[in-house]
Formats: sequence, C-alpha cells, structure tokens
Amino acid sequence: KNEVEQSPQNLTAQEGEFITINCSYSVGISALHWLQQHPGGGIVSLFMLSSGKKKHGRLIATINIQEKHSSLHITASHPRDSAVYICAAPTSGTYKYIFGTGTRLKVLA
Amino acid sequence: EPEVTQTPSHQVTQMGQEVILRCVPISNHLYFYWYRQILGQKVEFLVSFYNNEISEKSEIFDDQFSVERPDGSNFTLKIRSTKLEDSAMYFCASNEGVYNEQFFGPGTRLTVL
Repeated sequence: KNEVEQSPQNLTAQEGEFITINCSYSVGISALHWLQQHPGGGIVSLFMLSSGKKKHGRLIATINIQEKHSSLHITASHPRDSAVYICAAPTSGTYKYIFGTGTRLKVLA
Repeated sequence: EPEVTQTPSHQVTQMGQEVILRCVPISNHLYFYWYRQILGQKVEFLVSFYNNEISEKSEIFDDQFSVERPDGSNFTLKIRSTKLEDSAMYFCASNEGVYNEQFFGPGTRLTVL
C-alpha cells in the first residue's frame, strides 16, 4: 500500500507555465519534505514544512496537515526546472522518511 | 555550507563480493540513515542509526547488511555478499534531531555484475 502518493507521475510543460505537483499521504506526520532529484541522481532539499506556506524564488510549497495534502508550485517554469520532484514524510514515532514515487517534470523551451 | 559526502560515487562489483559504502554525515548531526533507490523506483528506507546503534531497519535490511560508525566522522554500510538485486543508488542522510530536516549525500551507484 502506498502511504505517500504523488500526482501527476509525469508532467510536460512549456517554458513559462505555472506548475503544480500534489502529494497526499495516509501516514501520520508532523511535517513534509519536498526534494528535487536531477538525472545524475543526487537529491537536493527544497522545503520542509509543517504548516502553511513556504516560498523560495519561483518555488512555493503549501501544506494542510489535517487534510494530509501538500502541493509544490513552480511559477514561470524554465527548462532547468526539469527534474524529478519527490515528497517525503518523516513518519510520527519513527525516524525514517517515507517517499512518494516522484513526479517527473520536463519543461520545454 | 556543510554537506553530507559519500564515497565512492560509483562502485562496480561481482556478485558475492563484499562492498563497503562510506558516508561522512554533517558534523553536528546525531541521526544517520541509509536509503536505496533501484533504477526507476522510489527511494526506500534501509536503516536508521543513533547513539551507536540501529534505531530502526526495514525488511530489506537483512543479515547481509550492516552499518557502523567506526570513528567520529564516518558512517558505513556494508553488504557482505552482494546479489544482482542489490544494484541501486544508495543514499546516506543525516539530521540534527529526529524531527529535523534530513540532508542527503550525493549517492553511491552500486552495480553488481
């Protein structure tokens, strides 16, 4: 059973488009981590948030802990945003992260 | 900015051989983790480590796997007798406190032939 689900799995956008990636989870968590994985494989941290909204440059993340849902938005998308975006949840009572399956984003010039 | 480092970046080994993957967590972090990602699949938890002992391990982490913090800086993952299905990217992570953000290393790509 998938405890952290992402949608869509694949997304192709034109440069400049506004992008939304969704993450839903069934596990009890206190926070959620958005990560970016480039083709080389390395994982880069974007946001960790437990409530409300966080913004960094063109990236915005929101979370509703009660509804168990988070979204990652990219404004004015650019080809360099092409990557896999992953949400991960540190589950309550344990130390580990549970990962979503990732959303593969391709932004076309 | 402090970062988690991993060596080697790529390891090729023959089936049945032992491999040791090395990680240097961020220096003031207390919690350490290994995850793996089989090509095309999601990242999976292997093991967490705190205060010189395993805190939690997944069912993937069987007797062929072990972890160690041999000194004050390194954190290693050993696979005693590698199988073809151990081929994956292995990520080390660390954090300051159990509910803090985890920081990930760049990964070691293990290829078992």
